[in-house]
Amino acid sequence: DTEVTQTPKHLVMGMTNKKSLKCEQHMGHRAMYWYKQKAKKPPELMFVYSYEKLSINESVPSRFSPECPNSSLLNLHLHALQPEDSALYLCASSQANGGLIYEQYFGPGTRLTVT
Amino acid sequence: QQPVQSPQAVILREGEDAVINCSSSKALYSVHWYRQKHGEAPVFLMILLKGGEQKGHEKISASFNEKKQQSSLYLTASQLSYSGTYFCGTEMDSNYQLIWGAGTKLIIKP
Repeated sequence: DTEVTQTPKHLVMGMTNKKSLKCEQHMGHRAMYWYKQKAKKPPELMFVYSYEKLSINESVPSRFSPECPNSSLLNLHLHALQPEDSALYLCASSQANGGLIYEQYFGPGTRLTVT
Repeated sequence: QQPVQSPQAVILREGEDAVINCSSSKALYSVHWYRQKHGEAPVFLMILLKGGEQKGHEKISASFNEKKQQSSLYLTASQLSYSGTYFCGTEMDSNYQLIWGAGTKLIIKP
């Protein structure tokens, strides 16, 4: 099974809402990533977890809060977002070994619209 | 430091060849290549780790120069299915951070 699943596929939320994005993989990968992608732009790294510990936080605003409950699950909690946060949010996973990056498997993404 | 990808866009007829370049001002740990079709997630193509390395994947291959500062992706006898945006991702340190190029949009016409 080489699939990364993400829910929901689409999300519309107001600026005062609290919502969560979910990501799951069963490939035994110990590195998991959250990316944000705007139209016609490359994916932008937000967070990296390796062995369930936060390794990288690319100076992301605190209105985004990641969580890695176990080696298969990754959540992204959203609160008080701004319209400019509207984007495609991609989750990915890969093998982990001393910081080296292996092939990343991406989920289909969550299309987020903030109104 | 974002790698520089060129060209920004390429339009080909089916069966033609294309080369996409990715360059960095510093030596890289590795270069990764991904393809993303419209409305879909990026899909991994290949990783190059060693200077002078060349790798192939059906009719898609890539090279990594000796100084490990430039990589090229070669698409030969292009097919309609090759259409999409190609991204290179570069790794400078062993910290799980992949820095993505701006992308090259490839359009294949019948």
